[in-house]
Amino acid sequence: EIVMTQSPATLSLSPGERATLSCRASQSVSSNLAWYQQKPGQAPRLLIYVASTRATGIPARFSGSGSGTEFTLTISSLQSEDFAVYSCQQYNDWPLTFGGGTKVEIK
Amino acid sequence: DVQVVESGGGLVKPGGSLRLSCAASGFTFSRSSMNWVRQAPGKGLEWVSSISSSSRHIYYADSVKGRFTISRDNAKNSLYLQMNSLRAEDTALYFCAGGHSGYDLVFGFWGQGTLVTVSS
Repeated sequence: EIVMTQSPATLSLSPGERATLSCRASQSVSSNLAWYQQKPGQAPRLLIYVASTRATGIPARFSGSGSGTEFTLTISSLQSEDFAVYSCQQYNDWPLTFGGGTKVEIK
Repeated sequence: DVQVVESGGGLVKPGGSLRLSCAASGFTFSRSSMNWVRQAPGKGLEWVSSISSSSRHIYYADSVKGRFTISRDNAKNSLYLQMNSLRAEDTALYFCAGGHSGYDLVFGFWGQGTLVTVSS
């Protein structure tokens, strides 16, 4: 099983700041990586797939990068609606696996 | 609009069974692979099972293999998850999710989930 490890667990930032979230795979997943955003009481929302492709309707301030085992989600300038939990998911191999999530909270 | 709505959750005793349903609309269900993903209270997301459009290909997480069965009825635009031998650790919000732009295993749309609680 491919283990996905996200860091940090919590990121405390102010609106307008840049957020950099990390996701590491225990073995290569090529570019078969997705990022999701989840707010309390809501279902997850797809942000990024194929490591760097924004899903439909996702603002340009969200960007993804990386391949192989190291991936990054960057939010260029945090808006109030961006404070949430972010999870990465690999779909390169079965079983599909998620990272434990990074909570982006207001500082 | 694409929509999936889960139902069938509830409180069940350990060792019991439950059948979850997911009603789909707004897209060609019969051509879409579908998935179940769960989230235990306060925890992260965990993939549970996937089924291809024709039901030919089915996959399970090790944690549910042999106890859960995924199925679908394309005539009814519905996805199911039969859950047997339930354990306390199966307590979670269960989401039905579908693929995105031809990427079957990227979860582009989700339902709001149905809560399963396993407790005596």
